[in-house]
Amino acid sequence: SQTIHQWPATLVQPVGSPLSLECTVEGTSNPNLYWYRQAAGRGLQLLFYSVGIGQISSEVPQNLSASRPQDRQFILSSKKLLLSDSGFYLCAYVDRGSNQPQHFGDGTRLSIL
Amino acid sequence: QQQVKQSPQSLIVQKGGISIINCAYENTAFDYFPWYQQFPGKGPALLIAIRPDVSEKKEGRFTISFNKSAKQFSLHIMDSQPGDSATYFCAASNSGTYKYIFGTGTRLKVLA
Repeated sequence: SQTIHQWPATLVQPVGSPLSLECTVEGTSNPNLYWYRQAAGRGLQLLFYSVGIGQISSEVPQNLSASRPQDRQFILSSKKLLLSDSGFYLCAYVDRGSNQPQHFGDGTRLSIL
Repeated sequence: QQQVKQSPQSLIVQKGGISIINCAYENTAFDYFPWYQQFPGKGPALLIAIRPDVSEKKEGRFTISFNKSAKQFSLHIMDSQPGDSATYFCAASNSGTYKYIFGTGTRLKVLA
């Protein structure tokens, strides 16, 4: 069966510090991978998506970046966090051999102090 | 043209009542329309989905109604229960890109 893992579940970071959030998928090969941000009580903002290793598309200009070093690993990074980077970060995948449903991890709650 | 408009923003329903959430889209290239349920502190979970070749899909108490000509689709929750209290998102995508466009969400509260 397919599963998606995100860690850490919660993170408190000072302004100006670096960030690394990791997402891994099991049980599928060559998935599409996505990073979303969800502000409190708001919808889902697509940040990055990837169709393969090393292939990253950015949807929103910002101080965040994403990388896909392995087929089922997706990393969200920042060199210097801003207060506005606070939010709930969600990773998702699509198994392109399936009927398209996008499956989400349980997210990382990021608070910037 | 990439937007999915969702309404209402919030909804309060009595236990046993029907909850109805509506979405409208513009891009006729969309060919997959899922609904997600999200509880606080959790990621959205796929609830039910429909493709434009059918007008209705039912799974248990959850039904999607789809109107291709009006470019609208809706989620009906029959016999709503307090455990259904959550935020619901509609979405649209096309099989060419696998990119999802999400609605802004509806916060549903079912009163006991």
